[in-house]
Amino acid sequence: GEDVEQSLFLSVREGDSSVINCTYTDSSSTYLYWYKQEPGAGLQLLTYIFSNMDMKQDQRLTVLLNKKDKHLSLRIADTQTGDSAIYFCAESISSTLTFGKGTMLLVSP
Amino acid sequence: DAGITQSPRYKITETGRQVTLMCHQTWSHSYMFWYRQDLGHGLRLIYYSAAADITDKGEVPDGYVVSRSKTENFPLTLESATRSQTSVYFCAIMTSGSGNEQFFGPGTRLTVL
Repeated sequence: GEDVEQSLFLSVREGDSSVINCTYTDSSSTYLYWYKQEPGAGLQLLTYIFSNMDMKQDQRLTVLLNKKDKHLSLRIADTQTGDSAIYFCAESISSTLTFGKGTMLLVSP
Repeated sequence: DAGITQSPRYKITETGRQVTLMCHQTWSHSYMFWYRQDLGHGLRLIYYSAAADITDKGEVPDGYVVSRSKTENFPLTLESATRSQTSVYFCAIMTSGSGNEQFFGPGTRLTVL
């Protein structure tokens, strides 16, 4: 079955880069996604990458995909306190998503 | 924002009662989803629907019923609520763009006493 793993917690200082990692198990994933959830809110789609791509950059966000190792990462450049949230990676197989349990990012001033 | 509303936003009920959570989209996207979010489990798919009158089970469907008589509405019913169904419930739609992106509603926090 599918399983998506993430580390639970990451703490960085404002201005540093943050790297959140994710591993998945299903090699038939078509798309992989990163979502952000702030306290008391729904999930906000940040970015996604097609499974035949290695990298995607979108402003401060860089997604790297190593399909051989089934490893996905999200790099946030110049991390700000407003980036403090829970970040979820998800893989898409057909029309459904399987989510990791989320990584809490804490950004200190 | 894909125009997804959920109601109620907060609900407290008792064990054994029937509860219906509503999800409405202002667009006409074909796919709609229900997830529950619990500490330690992340988000888990309960049911989804590919179109009106077409529904399918997700990872954790037991104790839930869905219907989809109209494209824009996808209600989730707990026929006899249990304490283990205390959770935050999210509805989502999938757009027909190139990335099959899913967009989420604001959620319903349900407490079963």
